[in-house]
Order: sequence, then C-alpha cells, then structure tokens
Amino acid sequence: GIQVEQSPPDLILQEGANSTLRCNFSDSVNNLQWFHQNPWGQLINLFYIPSGTKQNGRLSATTVATERYSLLYISSSQTTDSGVYFCAVGGSSNDYKLSFGAGTTVTVRA
Amino acid sequence: AAGVIQSPRHLIKEKRETATLKCYPIPRHDTVYWYQQGPGQDPQFLISFYEKMQSDKGSIPDRFSAQQFSDYHSELNMSSLELGDSALYFCASSITPRVGEQFFGPGTRLTVL
Repeated sequence: GIQVEQSPPDLILQEGANSTLRCNFSDSVNNLQWFHQNPWGQLINLFYIPSGTKQNGRLSATTVATERYSLLYISSSQTTDSGVYFCAVGGSSNDYKLSFGAGTTVTVRA
Repeated sequence: AAGVIQSPRHLIKEKRETATLKCYPIPRHDTVYWYQQGPGQDPQFLISFYEKMQSDKGSIPDRFSAQQFSDYHSELNMSSLELGDSALYFCASSITPRVGEQFFGPGTRLTVL
C-alpha cells in the first residue's frame, strides 16, 4: 500500500506564529485530505486537495502530485489550532480507502 | 449541512461480549467506509461498501462483520470482544467511490473492560 510520512511529528508554537506541516507519499494518488483531530477525537475535514492550492481562512494547503508531497500552512496560530493534523491519501483507481500518516501533534501556547 | 451520523457515541462492553455500531451516511452518499483508531495511533481502514456490496477490505478481524442496508446505512458487528478492540471507530461516506472526498462521522468510542 501507499506509504505516508508526515513531518514534523510534534510542533510547539507560540500563539500568533506561522507553521508548515509536510506530507510525503510513496505513489500517485487520486485523493489527498488533511484533517484536524480535536481533543475530543473528532476528525475535522480541512482540505480535499489531490493537487493544486486551496485556502480557507488562516489555513492553506498545496499538493504537488508530481513530486508526491503536500504542505499544510497555519498562519497566525491560535490555541484552538492545537491537536493532531493528519494527512490521508487514496491510491489507484480501484483503491479508494484512505491511508493515514502518523500525524503531526501541534501545541499552540498562549 | 447534513453530516455522517454514528451511534452510539460511547459504548462500554465486557470481554467476550458483542457490540453493534451504526452509521448513517450523508444523504445521496452511496459509499461507506469504516476505520479503527487505537489509542495514540492513526486511523486504520477496516472495510467499505458501495451500493450495498462490499467494495474493499482491510485488516478487519474475522470476529467483525459489516453490511450496508437498502437505505445505505451501515452496521459494524463485533463479537467476542477483546481488550485490544478498545478504540475510536469512525464511519465515513463519499458520494461515490470515484468522487474522492470522504466525510467522517464523530466516531464511536468503544471501551472493552
């Protein structure tokens, strides 16, 4: 199956700081999603981004499919941004399940 | 907007008991996926259904079974529960397998004592 690597594994930020999370994957994909898992365990869809660039408020994401990586940018971080950020990918045309990376744990300090 | 509904949200069972988790996909979504997330781990794919037929299978124990019904809701049945089955179980749905984005429900937290 597709291998997904996220970096860094942990990130500690001061409120107001900017950060970049990275997701590398081992094969071509037809689906790439970024999620935020809050302290209550809910997986919140951030972006569906198999290619290109998207922005939603203080968050933006870029996927360069030909180079097999995606980046998630958090700007002006807030304490509510704390949690685990997962990148998940779906592979070939007959493989629709998502394979998740190990996640990046983000802690934003006031 | 309507979201994926899962019930129950929390479930406590004893070892060797049986549990049934239910998932109601977003209206007009015909594909359902089940994932299991152990403590401190990332979600792992269990099984999926498209148009009421099993479409893919992951590392799902033989003690687990699942199906999708005519109204597209799905149930995950877990028998002979073990301590290691304690996890967060997510259901996700998509409009079809070929339109990629999966929308996740809030999860069912299963605790096996």
